[in-house]
Amino acid sequence: ELKVEQNPLFLSMQEGKNYTIYCNYSTTSDRLYWYRQDPGKSLESLFVLLSNGAVKQEGRLMASLDTKARLSTLHITAAVHDLSATYFCAAEAVTNAGKSTFGDGTTLTVKP
Amino acid sequence: DGGITQSPKYLFRKEGQNVTLSCEQNLNHDAMYWYRQDPGQGLRLIYYSQIVNDFQKGDIAEGYSVSREKKESFPLTVTSAQKNPTAFYLCASSSGTDTYSGNTIYFGEGSWLTVV
Repeated sequence: ELKVEQNPLFLSMQEGKNYTIYCNYSTTSDRLYWYRQDPGKSLESLFVLLSNGAVKQEGRLMASLDTKARLSTLHITAAVHDLSATYFCAAEAVTNAGKSTFGDGTTLTVKP
Repeated sequence: DGGITQSPKYLFRKEGQNVTLSCEQNLNHDAMYWYRQDPGQGLRLIYYSQIVNDFQKGDIAEGYSVSREKKESFPLTVTSAQKNPTAFYLCASSSGTDTYSGNTIYFGEGSWLTVV
């Protein structure tokens, strides 16, 4: 059974600082997704990582995938208040393509 | 506009009642999903369907039922057997795996269900 763990679960940071959210998964997977959820809202897709070494960047967010370490990271550069949200990673097991398993989410609060 | 429509957005249920949450998508996606989210927690998969007239149980299917008679529709019934149904319910769809987008999941706006 695929398990996905994120850490930290809660993150409070000051504007302008950098930080990394980690996503570990338990079984072989080469498909990793990052989503963002604003309070009381639905989820929207941020990044799709489909191979070992994949790196995607959008604005102040950069996601990477290391399939050998079973690890994905979401790096935040020079945080701004608008990035405050909950970030979820999700992985698909190679043996169960099409069914994503989600982590518990990391709630990010960016303070002035 | 293409998207996923869930209704109702807010629903109150008396104990012992069944309720049905509607989900319609016009993205022409083959796969559809129902997730449950409790406050401050992650998503748990209730049911999913990868093709019309077929669906599979997810991790927390007990007390729920679904149907997939049409490609665009995947309604969820919360039965009286579900002991603690108060939660945020998210319907989602995906095109299945492809070269460029993998299995990116697109979510509806969600339905808040409260037991009174």
